[in-house]
Parts: sequence; structure tokens; C-alpha cells
Amino acid sequence: QVQLQESGPGLVKPSQTLSLTCTVSGDSMSSGNNYWGWIRQPAGKGLEWIGRVHTSGSTTYNPSLKSRVTMSVDTSKNQFSLKLKSVTAADTAVYYCAREPFAAFDIWGQGTMVSVSS
Amino acid sequence: DIQMTQSPSSVSASVGDRVTITCRASQDISTWLAWYQQKPGKAPKLLIYVASTLQSGVPSRFSGSGSGTDFTLTVSSLQPEDFATYYCQQANSFPLTFGGGSKVDIK
Repeated sequence: QVQLQESGPGLVKPSQTLSLTCTVSGDSMSSGNNYWGWIRQPAGKGLEWIGRVHTSGSTTYNPSLKSRVTMSVDTSKNQFSLKLKSVTAADTAVYYCAREPFAAFDIWGQGTMVSVSS
Repeated sequence: DIQMTQSPSSVSASVGDRVTITCRASQDISTWLAWYQQKPGKAPKLLIYVASTLQSGVPSRFSGSGSGTDFTLTVSSLQPEDFATYYCQQANSFPLTFGGGSKVDIK
């Protein structure tokens, strides 16, 4: 079955760039017409959609983060990535990657905790 | 942005109880609504999409209804494994947004 796994540094310094990768296993990212998204959740709080990328490279970002976010996809590695620049403590959260086949996120990674601190 | 408001924010219930959670959208989202279940330390799990379609593998005690701005998630007979936090999410327009969550705990 399809599985997603986030990877990247667990600690990022303020003003630096947060970089995460999501590796998809169990199927090719290019099969089906899926979008691949990132969602984050600060400790004890709700879910915030960051954005999504299609295997074509097309992206859609949350306007609240758009100026700082870049997403990309590497179908040869079956991976997609998130970069969030100029981070502050407010960006501290668990970051999830997820598959979005049709108007909902049906498969999620386990999540990775990212702390922003000097 | 479309605001999603869930109620109640928390509910205490017993095994076997019928539990209903409501989600209200700040504007018409047709049936572009999904429901998720999240347990502590775990990723959300998709339960229902397009308001009333049960995700494969999800028990039939879960059901969803509604359209426009008002939606409900119902658990017909609460089981021990159902104690969790539930989130709604609209997929009508960007940015995709989630409700604040409804925690179901043991009475």
C-alpha cells in the first residue's frame, strides 16, 4: 500500500529555511491524478494547510504563507519537498505530508516535528 | 478564506452512545467537505469525503451528512477506539481550511 514518510531537520534557527522531503513508497507518484500536500499542526492546536504540488509541477499555496513557501516534486525519486524561508518560532509545528486524490487527504505521513529556535 | 466552525469543541460520551458533531462553513461549500479522526501523536485519518462518502475501510457506524454551510458527523454507537479528536475540512476553495476540532472523550 502507498506510504508517505517525511524527513528533514528537527531544529531550524530563526530566519533560516525549513526544508522537508516526503518520500512516497508503494506506488509511483505519477500514477493517478494526485496532488501532494503539506499540512502543519502546532502543538495542541489545529491543522493548517500549507499548500500542494501536482506531479506536473503545478503548485497552490496558502496565501498566508505564499511569500515564504516553495514546493517541488521529483518523480524520478518519488519525492516531493517543502521549503519555508525566514522561519520564526510561529513556524514550530508537526509537519505532515499527504496525498490528495480527490477533495480530501487520504494518506498521511506520520508527521515530523520541526522546532524553530536558536 | 472560508472559516470552518465546529461544535461542540469537546464532548464526553460513553461506549455505545450516539455522538453528533457539527461543522459550519462561513459560506456555501456545496458538499466539498471531509472529516478526519486524529488520535494523540498520530496523523489524521480520513473518515468521510464529499460530505457523506465513507472512506474505504472506515466502519459503517460513522456517517456524514449536509450540504451548503451545515454538516454533521455522526457516530452511531461509540466504540473505545473512537475516542479522539475530529476535524472537518473544506475543499471548495483555496486556501483549504480545517475546523478547530471536536474532542470526544470518555465520560
